[in-house]
Amino acid sequence: DGGITQSPKYLFRKEGQNVTLSCEQNLNHDAMYWYRQDPGQGLRLIYYSQIVNDFQKGDIAEGYSVSREKKESFPLTVTSAQKNPTAFYLCASRGQYPGTDTQYFGPGTRLTVL
Amino acid sequence: DQQVKQNSPSLSVQEGRISILNCDYTNSMFDYFLWYKKYPAEGPTFLISISSIKDKNEDGRFTVFLNKSAKHLSLHIVPSQPGDSAVYFCASTNSGGSNYKLTFGKGTLLTVNP
Repeated sequence: DGGITQSPKYLFRKEGQNVTLSCEQNLNHDAMYWYRQDPGQGLRLIYYSQIVNDFQKGDIAEGYSVSREKKESFPLTVTSAQKNPTAFYLCASRGQYPGTDTQYFGPGTRLTVL
Repeated sequence: DQQVKQNSPSLSVQEGRISILNCDYTNSMFDYFLWYKKYPAEGPTFLISISSIKDKNEDGRFTVFLNKSAKHLSLHIVPSQPGDSAVYFCASTNSGGSNYKLTFGKGTLLTVNP
């Protein structure tokens, strides 16, 4: 089945530790996105990548880093510099052609920093 | 500065009746609009979209209306079913832009009572 997978579903880390969230897609989509959702808030864009080996900061990139070495994968690292890392993280991807230009989301990862 | 606003945090309707969810936007460059449905601890699911060249788009029980002059769109669900209970996010973008960034509202929690 084609889709977007994120792992793990739940993640706990101690304060001050870096943590990497996985996002993989087999939809052959070029563009991938990372969002964060906080209670009562909409989705806010952290980073996005339109093509392999290229990515841009979104609206709230501070304290996060990404890489895009493969088309299928777009991991997000939450660094110790992120002041409020506890949140629900969502990965999305988008195709380039009419009919595929909607963003499709993975199931999300709930990160809790203790 | 919220460019996409969903002013009703919650809405409660009876099963079988119409649900109307509203969304306002301020950025006149936005020309493509989407609605997503989200259950707790899951990723958003794409529901329906509309381009600014149209004022209505229908898909089964879901219809989106766009009023460009008022910068307002609405999602109608008829008839509402208990399974429609979820958070609904409105999102907007400038489809002519190179990065297709989506700007999301904060969401409206719809509860459909049996």
